[in-house]
Amino acid sequence: NAGVTQTPKFQVLKTGQSMTLQCAQDMNHNSMYWYRQDPGMGLRLIYYSASEGTTDKGEVPNGYNVSRLNKREFSLRLESAAPSQTSVYFCATRTSGRDEQFFGPGTRLTVL
Amino acid sequence: GNSVTQMEGPVTLSEEAFLTINCTYTATGYPSLFWYVQYPGEGLQLLLKATKADDKGSNKGFEATYRKETTSFHLEKGSVQVSDSAVYFCALSVYNQGGKLIFGQGTELSVKP
Repeated sequence: NAGVTQTPKFQVLKTGQSMTLQCAQDMNHNSMYWYRQDPGMGLRLIYYSASEGTTDKGEVPNGYNVSRLNKREFSLRLESAAPSQTSVYFCATRTSGRDEQFFGPGTRLTVL
Repeated sequence: GNSVTQMEGPVTLSEEAFLTINCTYTATGYPSLFWYVQYPGEGLQLLLKATKADDKGSNKGFEATYRKETTSFHLEKGSVQVSDSAVYFCALSVYNQGGKLIFGQGTELSVKP
């Protein structure tokens, strides 16, 4: 039972490059979330998916796209990375009827 | 709008000292309140939660009481250990808003032997 997994763990990009962060869960949860964590700012929601086939913007969606591929997987894409996207990215899941979220281990992304 | 404010860190304590980390919130509607903990190099783990006014959440010796009158959810522990060194986040979610969490900025706790 892996819970929430994220790949890669670390990534360094140059400005303008693209990449996809992957998140997968084996908890059979309906909702999935992408957050970014920056020093002194806590975690901020980028996008979320309340259920398979739906996605919605969070607080800081600019520069990102998401895909809810199936119930298990929720990916975050940076089409043209910018230094301002240097951050630690966390995926989280939540089951219907409960309000707590379960977090993956994070991806540390540096954009040069 | 919805927001969470936590006391600034870092907080440095000696082992067995009493811990308080202040958290206040503003919310439309009736939020659920959470404390999450992040150990070095790891993701966030739920520490405790409370879903309505006057509820007390507790876990691993930590406690927090949902105070509607003061819009607060302060985290306390009577005797901290070195292993409690981590970053602590206060958060809220509001019913019928997709389960989104709104986080405070986090408070880093360092416990010295």
